[in-house]
Amino acid sequence: EPEVTQTPSHQVTQMGQEVILRCVPISNHLYFYWYRQILGQKVEFLVSFYNNEISEKSEIFDDQFSVERPDGSNFTLKIRSTKLEDSAMYFCASSLQGGSNQPQHFGDGTRLSIL
Amino acid sequence: GESVGLHLPTLSVQEGDNSIINCAYSNSASDYFIWYKQESGKGPQFIIDIRSNMDKRQGQRVTVLLNKTVKHLSLQIAATQPGDSAVYFCAENYGGSQGNLIFGKGTKLSVKP
Repeated sequence: EPEVTQTPSHQVTQMGQEVILRCVPISNHLYFYWYRQILGQKVEFLVSFYNNEISEKSEIFDDQFSVERPDGSNFTLKIRSTKLEDSAMYFCASSLQGGSNQPQHFGDGTRLSIL
Repeated sequence: GESVGLHLPTLSVQEGDNSIINCAYSNSASDYFIWYKQESGKGPQFIIDIRSNMDKRQGQRVTVLLNKTVKHLSLQIAATQPGDSAVYFCAENYGGSQGNLIFGKGTKLSVKP
């Protein structure tokens, strides 16, 4: 069964450094998402992306965050200057179609630890 | 919606029994709901979804019930197995959003052999 893959599984970074989290969505999916989950808390929406544009973003997704589809298979999340509170699991998801009423399929996440 | 906290509600059931996991959702405009299963170290895994024009949907060993009047969603798992042990999240999505899923805080299901 096709799946969303994320790399690396664990990223340790010094505060203030830039980090790029990578995702390969399911190949025929057109809509892509990033979520994060701080330890012990809910999964929170960050951003949705379609046709090389951000469709929707949350308040968490401030100027320090950016997303990109650099080629036909990868979808990346960049955090420019990491803060301690950015430590979390980051999940990528994709769906065949967008909007509501569409199941999103998640990767296994990247654990980001900021020191 | 449910408040954020460090302590997950826990449901402990005997293998072979039926499990019912409940969720209260927050937005009366939500029109699509998904149940996800999350095992330790893994991402949310899609189980079953339901649209707001339905009140019940069945899958393999799972049933989702939707009560829009009280904004309540439940997941029923028949003949629960040890492999069902995980954290279960409900997620809602409202019409007009671009797929912004709003997750509940989750319920931890423990299955005793």
